[in-house]
Amino acid sequence: NAGVTQTPKFQVLKTGQSMTLQCAQDMNHNSMYWYRQDPGMGLRLIYYSASEGTTDKGEVPNGYNVSRLNKREFSLRLESAAPSQTSVYFCASANAHGGGSGNTIYFGEGSWLTVV
Amino acid sequence: DQQVKQNSPSLSVQEGRISILNCDYTNSMFDYFLWYKKYPAEGPTFLISISSIKDKNEDGRFTVFLNKSAKHLSLHIVPSQPGDSAVYFCAASARGGADGLTFGKGTHLIIQP
Repeated sequence: NAGVTQTPKFQVLKTGQSMTLQCAQDMNHNSMYWYRQDPGMGLRLIYYSASEGTTDKGEVPNGYNVSRLNKREFSLRLESAAPSQTSVYFCASANAHGGGSGNTIYFGEGSWLTVV
Repeated sequence: DQQVKQNSPSLSVQEGRISILNCDYTNSMFDYFLWYKKYPAEGPTFLISISSIKDKNEDGRFTVFLNKSAKHLSLHIVPSQPGDSAVYFCAASARGGADGLTFGKGTHLIIQP
């Protein structure tokens, strides 16, 4: 029953440091996503990968990079962390088929990142 | 510009009564709508969804209503239980949603005993 697994769960970084958030899903989903959640802002899409080998920017991509390593894994990298990137990060996956057939996204448990 | 709006940041309902959470959207390309429930320190979990070809979908105590002409959907929880206390997010997607969901800011539902 693993679903979507993301690591680490908690991390404190100093401004300017780099780090990578790892995510893996075991549901054989085609699409994977990284969201961030900030107080009063809901969930905002950072980057997504509609299928293995493709990645695209979401609503708030600045300061991040992603890698779709294979069908299972989708990592999010902060090259030079800033205090504005203090947030809760959620990885998610879905079997998106397109054409209005609907898309239920399943989320991981979250990674709490603090940049000081 | 917010495409999915939940105008009530919080809602307090007595246990056993009906909880009604509202959501409005502006993008007419949205064709699939979902509700997620989130407890503190956990990821959002899928609750119920509705396609734009329907106006109602029911699953146990949860019913989602869609009014396309008004670009409005609502989630009804009957009867409300203490375990329903959580933040509820409305979300929408277009064209199958391979490019992700657009979320509202959430409504914190508090069920009072």
